[in-house]
Amino acid sequence: EPEVTQTPSHQVTQMGQEVILRCVPISNHLYFYWYRQILGQKVEFLVSFYNNEISEKSEIFDDQFSVERPDGSNFTLKIRSTKLEDSAMYFCASSFDSMNTEAFFGQGTRLTVV
Amino acid sequence: AQSVAQPEDQVNVAEGNPLTVKCTYSVSGNPYLFWYVQYPNRGLQFLLKYITGDNLVKGSYGFEAEFNKSQTSFHLKKPSALVSDSALYFCAVRDLLNSGGYQKVTFGIGTKLQVIP
Repeated sequence: EPEVTQTPSHQVTQMGQEVILRCVPISNHLYFYWYRQILGQKVEFLVSFYNNEISEKSEIFDDQFSVERPDGSNFTLKIRSTKLEDSAMYFCASSFDSMNTEAFFGQGTRLTVV
Repeated sequence: AQSVAQPEDQVNVAEGNPLTVKCTYSVSGNPYLFWYVQYPNRGLQFLLKYITGDNLVKGSYGFEAEFNKSQTSFHLKKPSALVSDSALYFCAVRDLLNSGGYQKVTFGIGTKLQVIP
């Protein structure tokens, strides 16, 4: 069964450092997403990406965040200058379309900012 | 605004007994409802969805969910729990009036299911 893969599974970084979280979506999917879940809280939408551009972003996704699809397979989330409150589980997801099919999620990257 | 509530942080059930994980939702229009499961060190796995049609939806691993419009609920059920069902379960909703896709999905906080041997 095809799956979304994320690396690393756990990242520890110092406050103010840049981190890049990596995802390989399912190969024939066209829509890509990042979500995050702060410990004990809800899974929150960050950004969606289609046709090589951001299609929508939440208020959480400020100028510190960026996404990129550098090649035909990877989808990355960059946090330029991490803050303590960025500590969370970050999930990548992909779907074939935006309306009628479910999204497939990766196993998540746990980001710990110290 | 749309929202989803999972009132139980944890549900404990004995192996072989029926299980229910509760979910209620709020949307302006008609709901598009999902259940996902997260096993340890794994991503969110899709279980089932409801858009329209029969109120009882069958999904993966023997799970089913019942859509109840009057009670705005979409409880997840399984007739006979297995120890391997122990995981974190997420309910999610999207308002069908929203033209957006998965960016418009709202997730619940998750319910931990513990099946006791």
